[in-house]
Amino acid sequence: EDQVTQSPEALRLQEGESSSLNCSYTVSGLRGLFWYRQDPGKGPEFLFTLYSAGEEKEKERLKATLTKKESFLHITAPKPEDSATYLCAVQARNTDKLIFGTGTRLQVFP
Amino acid sequence: EPEVTQTPSHQVTQMGQEVILRCVPISNHLYFYWYRQILGQKVEFLVSFYNNEISEKSEIFDDQFSVERPDGSNFTLKIRSTKLEDSAMYFCASSVELGMSEAFFGQGTRLTVV
Repeated sequence: EDQVTQSPEALRLQEGESSSLNCSYTVSGLRGLFWYRQDPGKGPEFLFTLYSAGEEKEKERLKATLTKKESFLHITAPKPEDSATYLCAVQARNTDKLIFGTGTRLQVFP
Repeated sequence: EPEVTQTPSHQVTQMGQEVILRCVPISNHLYFYWYRQILGQKVEFLVSFYNNEISEKSEIFDDQFSVERPDGSNFTLKIRSTKLEDSAMYFCASSVELGMSEAFFGQGTRLTVV
């Protein structure tokens, strides 16, 4: 069964304190792995798509990496505005649907 | 910046009533989706829609649910006879390509069934 597990569930960081969020997945043929940011009461906001092991993508203070079993979202020198829930999702080949993890709730304090 | 628009933002309905949730996808997008998120749980796929027909649906999307693209801009989700367990945040999404590459989600409709 295709599934996604994210850790930790919650993460509290001081402003400027870099860290990483983990997304472990099992999927029957990966089409893509997606990272989204979700603010309270809002819809998921697209961040990255990764398609193959070894791929990396960056956007501002965020960098996503992918292996055959997991993905990491690295946050460098976070700011309070980076506080949100970060969702990981996978899509298998021959399907339209995304399978989401439960997310990591990130809080960054000044 | 183009965005997916959903209305209403919040809907309260009595159990057994029909509800229609509305979405305006981004104008040049061809693929449309509905997801839901029960409070405190994962975002779950409901249905995908392309070329005026359902492309894929989940086990959640039973006979009580239907989708429609009544005109060139709107995409609707209808729940025929709501149940308490239908209470959730419903998200519409759209993408240019098949699959979810750079798919954009709307802000959601919070459905409360009482």
